Amino acid sequence: ETGVTQTPRHLVMGMTNKKSLKCEQHLGHNAMYWYKQSAKKPLELMFVYSLEERVENNSVPSRFSPECPNSSHLFLHLHTLQPEDSALYLCASSPGTSYSYEQYFGPGTRLTVT
Amino acid sequence: AQTVTQSQPEMSVQEAETVTLSCTYDTSESNYYLFWYKQPPSRQMILVIRQEAYKQQNATENRFSVNFQKAAKSFSLKISDSQLGDTAMYFCALRNAGNMLTFGGGTRLMVKP
Repeated sequence: ETGVTQTPRHLVMGMTNKKSLKCEQHLGHNAMYWYKQSAKKPLELMFVYSLEERVENNSVPSRFSPECPNSSHLFLHLHTLQPEDSALYLCASSPGTSYSYEQYFGPGTRLTVT
Repeated sequence: AQTVTQSQPEMSVQEAETVTLSCTYDTSESNYYLFWYKQPPSRQMILVIRQEAYKQQNATENRFSVNFQKAAKSFSLKISDSQLGDTAMYFCALRNAGNMLTFGGGTRLMVKP
């Protein structure tokens, strides 16, 4: 395992529910990322945080709301999602945001919106 | 904008044989990093190998090596002596200083006993 954990691993929610995904990294990294992995589509970067500040927001709908309270934790708050939001949501971390750094991924949360 | 294309959605190889996964990319930058990531079934994505564009020598990590052709914007991954544990999705990715990591669509590799 790579030191990045995600909970829950599976989540089923209705379109009117509110839920949160949690990511924690134990690697001492300063940057954290949320990705969306849909079937038959490349991984899509959603958000990037560096030292707890958001540095990238890739035109993500407002029904996805990230939160980074400290450099070890990252949340993705979900509300009024659509069925097309069903996907695997991956969290990753890296020592910093330099383009040379490897990203370390968590196992993902499999989200199903009904 | 930068793009990464993996033209082989699925591939298979017999155990102990060699397989090459293709990747082409496009970027206007002169310096960048290329990565191959592996995502085994129901397991975490991990880095397989990385190549800096300024380095002409192809990267090698044990049974994994790349063929980096900068002029052709090609970055293929060769897996030698394939093992059952190599069964996974493989993603090619690109990153330069001005952009975040861009992934290709992936290649599903099946190693057959």
